[in-house]
Amino acid sequence: AQRVTQPEKLLSVFKGAPVELKCNYSYSGSPELFWYVQYSRQRLQLLLRHISRESIKGFTADLNKGETSFHLKKPFAQEEDSAMYYCALTGRRALTFGSGTRLQVQP
Amino acid sequence: DGGITQSPKYLFRKEGQNVTLSCEQNLNHDAMYWYRQDPGQGLRLIYYSQIVNDFQKGDIAEGYSVSREKKESFPLTVTSAQKNPTAFYLCASSPQGGRAEKLFFGSGTQLSVL
Repeated sequence: AQRVTQPEKLLSVFKGAPVELKCNYSYSGSPELFWYVQYSRQRLQLLLRHISRESIKGFTADLNKGETSFHLKKPFAQEEDSAMYYCALTGRRALTFGSGTRLQVQP
Repeated sequence: DGGITQSPKYLFRKEGQNVTLSCEQNLNHDAMYWYRQDPGQGLRLIYYSQIVNDFQKGDIAEGYSVSREKKESFPLTVTSAQKNPTAFYLCASSPQGGRAEKLFFGSGTQLSVL
């Protein structure tokens, strides 16, 4: 079975502080991993995917197969980063999502 | 904005009633998906379709049915067998259903039971 775990429901930080949103996965093969984001009153949208090795809006995520993790990081949080973040993986079937972490960036 | 259109935005169901949620896309995507979003549980896959006239059950298909008669349309019917239908329903599509593809989401339908 494929499973994604996001242990934190809420993460609150101050502007300028580093951010790390945790994501652990369970899958026996080689997964494709993603981070999706939902800003207030907007549609769920792709933030980044590990296959692209990209940095979007200052966020990065590294796949650690040994720890089965795909944590999302940003060195300096901005107020506009406040949103709901979902980690997701594709294994043998369609995308499986974690339960999400709400990031609140306080001024 | 184009892309994926879900309707209606809000829907109410009476006990014993079937209701159908609409999902239309003009992106020429092969694959379409239905997810259910409950507070604190994230998104759970109901059904998905990678090609016209074919679809597969997701993790929580019981009490739901779908059809894929046209490439651009993937309606979801919530049947009376679904005992806890109140949730936010999201439709998505992707170009070919490939594992590394980006999903494009609709704006969702909130279903409530009267």
